[in-house]
Amino acid sequence: DAGVTQSPTHLIKTRGQQVTLRCSPKSGHDTVSWYQQALGQGPQFIFQYYEEEERQRGNFPDRFSGHQFPNYSSELNVNALLLGDSALYLCASSHSDSPYQPQHFGDGTRLSIL
Amino acid sequence: RKEVEQDPGPFNVPEGATVAFNCTYSNSASQSFFWYRQDCRKEPKLLMSVYSSGNEDGRFTAQLNRASQYISLLIRDSKLSDSATYLCVVSLGSDKLIFGTGTRLQVFP
Repeated sequence: DAGVTQSPTHLIKTRGQQVTLRCSPKSGHDTVSWYQQALGQGPQFIFQYYEEEERQRGNFPDRFSGHQFPNYSSELNVNALLLGDSALYLCASSHSDSPYQPQHFGDGTRLSIL
Repeated sequence: RKEVEQDPGPFNVPEGATVAFNCTYSNSASQSFFWYRQDCRKEPKLLMSVYSSGNEDGRFTAQLNRASQYISLLIRDSKLSDSATYLCVVSLGSDKLIFGTGTRLQVFP
């Protein structure tokens, strides 16, 4: 039973560039959430996707956008990258029928901005 | 005020010691509570859910006090492999998880 998978594992970009991160949820899960974890901090919620729509959004600028596909996989896009976007980006999945169950995380994508 | 507050530590304890972590949360409407463990440069992994009646999983005991909006985690007989960052997490339900900054534990021989 495959867990949450994310790609790529590591990425190096320069300021002003754009990046796309990908996530496949755990088998049977239909909801995908994205988090940003800066060094020394807890993960911060970016947004959540369900039924191919953004259901909730955290306090992140419009440079952060996403998408969910019919197979429940998801992408996170960040435009006009800033040095402060350097972080571990985590994807978590859950099932909408089990709202109080914990979310399962992928290994994350470590993004470095030069 | 942060939504979830934890003592960042680090807590340095010898093997076999008992150590307790505390956490407070600000939103009284919070419905779900968890402790996650995160190893260096790895993803958070669920350690245990926390229930109002308190719950135990081997050497780990979690407590929730809804009136005080307080969550705790007790680790007995600490092992070297327990060294990690412990994240206190709350949720309003089928939505975002709200994380504390984490408490770092270092168990030494």
